[in-house]
Amino acid sequence: IVMTQTPLSSPVTLGQPASISCRSSQSLVHSDGNTYLSWLQQRPGQPPRLLIYKISNRFSGVPDRFSGSGAGTDFTLKISRVEAEDVGVYYCAQASQFPLTFGQGTKLEIK
Amino acid sequence: QVQLVQSGAEVKKPGASVKVSCKASGYTFTTYDINWVRQATGQGLEWMGWMTPNSGNTGYAQKFQGRVTMTRNTSISIAYMELSSLRSEDTAVYYCARPSRGSFDLWGRGTLVTVSS
Repeated sequence: IVMTQTPLSSPVTLGQPASISCRSSQSLVHSDGNTYLSWLQQRPGQPPRLLIYKISNRFSGVPDRFSGSGAGTDFTLKISRVEAEDVGVYYCAQASQFPLTFGQGTKLEIK
Repeated sequence: QVQLVQSGAEVKKPGASVKVSCKASGYTFTTYDINWVRQATGQGLEWMGWMTPNSGNTGYAQKFQGRVTMTRNTSISIAYMELSSLRSEDTAVYYCARPSRGSFDLWGRGTLVTVSS
C-alpha cells in the first residue's frame, strides 16, 4: 500500500492551524473492522513518536491540539494552533496490511 | 522506565554483516513483538520486519528477504537484527520499535550503520 502525503513542506505561523493529508492506494479497513492508520512526529535528531493511532485516537501525553480524522483511503492530521515544539517531520503510517508502509513525510516549519 | 535501548553506531565495509541489538526494559519483553524500521539520512521511514519474542517467529519485508535475520534472547530481553551483504545503500539509522494500538508506541533511539569502503 502506497501512502501519499501532502504537502511535503508546510510553513506555518505560530498560533495558526496546520493540516496534513495522507492518502492510501487501497482502503485501510482491516478485516477486523479497524483502520490502522496512525500519525508519527519526528523532531530533529529524535526517533519518531506516536501521536495518533487508529485514525483519531490521541496517544498518551499528546496535546489535544493534535487531532486526526478520515476514513477508507483519505486521512488528515490537524494541529489547531502550532507551537514552536511542533517543528519536525510528520509521517502517516498504515498497519492494516503487510508490508507496513509510511508516507514520505511532511516537514512542518515555522514561518 | 519503559524503554528500548539500542547498541552503538557501527561502520562496516561493503559485503560485511552487521548485528544491531535492542534491549527492552520496564515491561515484559515477551508480551510485545519487536519491529525494525530504518531511515537513510534525510529520508523517510522504511519497515523491515517483525519478530515475536515468545516464539521467535519472524516476518520480513520482501525487499530484505534473504539478507535480514531477526532473533532474540528472552533471558536478557534483547532483540537482534542482523543484515548481511551490506552495500552503501544500507547506510541508515536502524530503529527497533514496539507495536501497539496498530502502530508503534515505543521506539529505540536508533543505531547508525555506515557502510563504506
